[in-house]
Amino acid sequence: AQTVTQSQPEMSVQEAETVTLSCTYDTSESDYYLFWYKQPPSRQMILVIRQEAYKQQNATENRFSVNFQKAAKSFSLKISDSQLGDAAMYFCAYRSAYAGGTSYGKLTFGQGTILTVHP
Amino acid sequence: DGGITQSPKYLFRKEGQNVTLSCEQNLNHDAMYWYRQDPGQGLRLIYYSQIVNDFQKGDIAEGYSVSREKKESFPLTVTSAQKNPTAFYLCASSRGQGSMNTEAFFGQGTRLTVV
Repeated sequence: AQTVTQSQPEMSVQEAETVTLSCTYDTSESDYYLFWYKQPPSRQMILVIRQEAYKQQNATENRFSVNFQKAAKSFSLKISDSQLGDAAMYFCAYRSAYAGGTSYGKLTFGQGTILTVHP
Repeated sequence: DGGITQSPKYLFRKEGQNVTLSCEQNLNHDAMYWYRQDPGQGLRLIYYSQIVNDFQKGDIAEGYSVSREKKESFPLTVTSAQKNPTAFYLCASSRGQGSMNTEAFFGQGTRLTVV
């Protein structure tokens, strides 16, 4: 079974600085998708960034980028020029894309990291 | 507007009663999911469905049941067998595998409290 681990329960950053959130996952599959979601106090889940496992190039969305290390099964999120609105709980997620597996389509989340942004 | 709707937003249940949480989507998504979130915790998968009339147990399915009779709907029943049902429940949907966009879209959630 796939597992997703976020080892940092809480992180903090000064406004305008850069912060990196860690995520590791365990899988025997070669075909999958990885995601970072943001959950602000409203509790609405918002997609931050997506990475396809078959792509070597790291995904980037404006101030958000990932460092995807497939062999190490690591998927960290870097937030540059942090803003007060970035304060939220961040979740890393894994979705199986292996059609021959028993977990086909299963979407698994990590425990989350609470990010605080200081003005 | 396309989206995913959960109802009700708040739900109170007496101990020993079954209760059903509604989840409807008009995004034409094949896959749907139910998660449970406890305070300060991550999302734990209860059930998921990749296609109509088919669903799989997630990591914490005991005490819960689902049905997927229509593509748009994926109701979750919290049974009396669930010993600690008070939690925030999130429903999500996504396009099927093989699509370019595989991310999940979430509803606003249902807060269930046992009284």
